[in-house]
Amino acid sequence: GAGVSQSPRYKVAKRGQDVALRCDPISGHVSLFWYQQALGQGPEFLTYFQNEAQLDKSGLPSDRFFAERPEGSVSTLKIQRTQQEDSAVYLCASSLVAGAKNIQYFGAGTRLSVL
Amino acid sequence: AQSVTQLDSQVPVFEEAPVELRCNYSSSVSVYLFWYVQYPNQGLQLLLKYLSGSTLVKGINGFEAEFNKSQTSFHLRKPSVHISDTAEYFCAVSEKNTGNQFYFGTGTSLTVIP
Repeated sequence: GAGVSQSPRYKVAKRGQDVALRCDPISGHVSLFWYQQALGQGPEFLTYFQNEAQLDKSGLPSDRFFAERPEGSVSTLKIQRTQQEDSAVYLCASSLVAGAKNIQYFGAGTRLSVL
Repeated sequence: AQSVTQLDSQVPVFEEAPVELRCNYSSSVSVYLFWYVQYPNQGLQLLLKYLSGSTLVKGINGFEAEFNKSQTSFHLRKPSVHISDTAEYFCAVSEKNTGNQFYFGTGTSLTVIP
């Protein structure tokens, strides 16, 4: 595709509900990242995939957060038993190849509101 | 882990005036540096990056930034701003040899006043 696509753009969940956020990276991009952006803050790293392999999940805040990229393309971030503190914008980014100097291209994000 | 500081949370500036948005990082390792812009309801868009070489880098929309290793800074500048520059600006750092993730500052909201 032309850019990184995320869906849904907005999600309202009741506390305790499970949610799934989808990311379609730019076609052919090897690396995929998830970030969490709280209101008034910068994005914070959650997890990183190289193809289908999840190489770094050090930023996931709890075991309620789970991410997958089974075929090395589309990725899903799942949050179980959502809490109010999970309310944030979840950003997905992809880059063509692995490596710290490579530009990350960002989607518009999914804004999650937990009531 | 890196710490990125953007001291100015909000910067108002008149149209056609110059602007500087400050960014400092903490580092004991070599880093790559980036500036991203975020317009309302849009994703982050890369403005410019410093990987190596000349410490003055030019980006899109007339922005430039200067890497200062001794001061661990990477300030963003534009000599004359336009109304369309109103947006949120984020400085980001990645570590050359230890990972792929970006560390972001808390952002600076630039408001251009007509």
